[in-house]
Amino acid sequence: GAVVSQHPSWVICKSGTSVKIECRSLDFQATTMFWYRQFPKQSLMLMATSNEGSKATYEQGVEKDKFLINHASLTLSTLTVTSAHPEDSSFYICSAETGLPISYEQYFGPGTRLTVT
Amino acid sequence: QKEVEQNSGPLSVPEGAIASLNCTYSDRGSQSFFWYRQYSGKSPELIMFIYSNGDKEDGRFTAQLNKASQYVSLLIRDSQPSDSATYLCAVIRSYNTDKLIFGTGTRLQVFP
Repeated sequence: GAVVSQHPSWVICKSGTSVKIECRSLDFQATTMFWYRQFPKQSLMLMATSNEGSKATYEQGVEKDKFLINHASLTLSTLTVTSAHPEDSSFYICSAETGLPISYEQYFGPGTRLTVT
Repeated sequence: QKEVEQNSGPLSVPEGAIASLNCTYSDRGSQSFFWYRQYSGKSPELIMFIYSNGDKEDGRFTAQLNKASQYVSLLIRDSQPSDSATYLCAVIRSYNTDKLIFGTGTRLQVFP
């Protein structure tokens, strides 16, 4: 149980274009989903917290107009990187919180490696 | 001071030995503690969580929590080369019950 998928697993795009990443909880309904970014040899940095049907809460320093998050249902959240630039190249990982049996356990998707050329 | 601190390693142990990974945290009111394993190029995988002082065992893994010392550790018994990975300690702050705060991770190398 507690399986989270992400699509695509990797993407290469040109500078200035937008990229959408999907995160799905496959066998549970996620009360909350989180989006992280990880640069090489660094730890995970939380970008935003997403609750179904409400606006995402962004961490300090994360541009909400650049990283658009939509949490359309209890099993799907999307992250759109708008007007991507090479410095946005990173490993983007989502996680979902099950809420059961003990709250606050987060299960991670496999990640999406974004390369902006 | 970082909120969650770990020695970056690498920690090298021989196959079959006990690997001991340590983590300290700064928020004294923290309630929830997690250990994740991350293989190179992959996303983190939850190994264990612990909420109460003392030890919690799951197979070859034992998590130890000492809230007075603000210290949490992970012991891996009978270490295997497949355990070689980066181990991330994560904490949920006392005043925000959703967000995980990650340490930078300790790289473990188990050699045959």
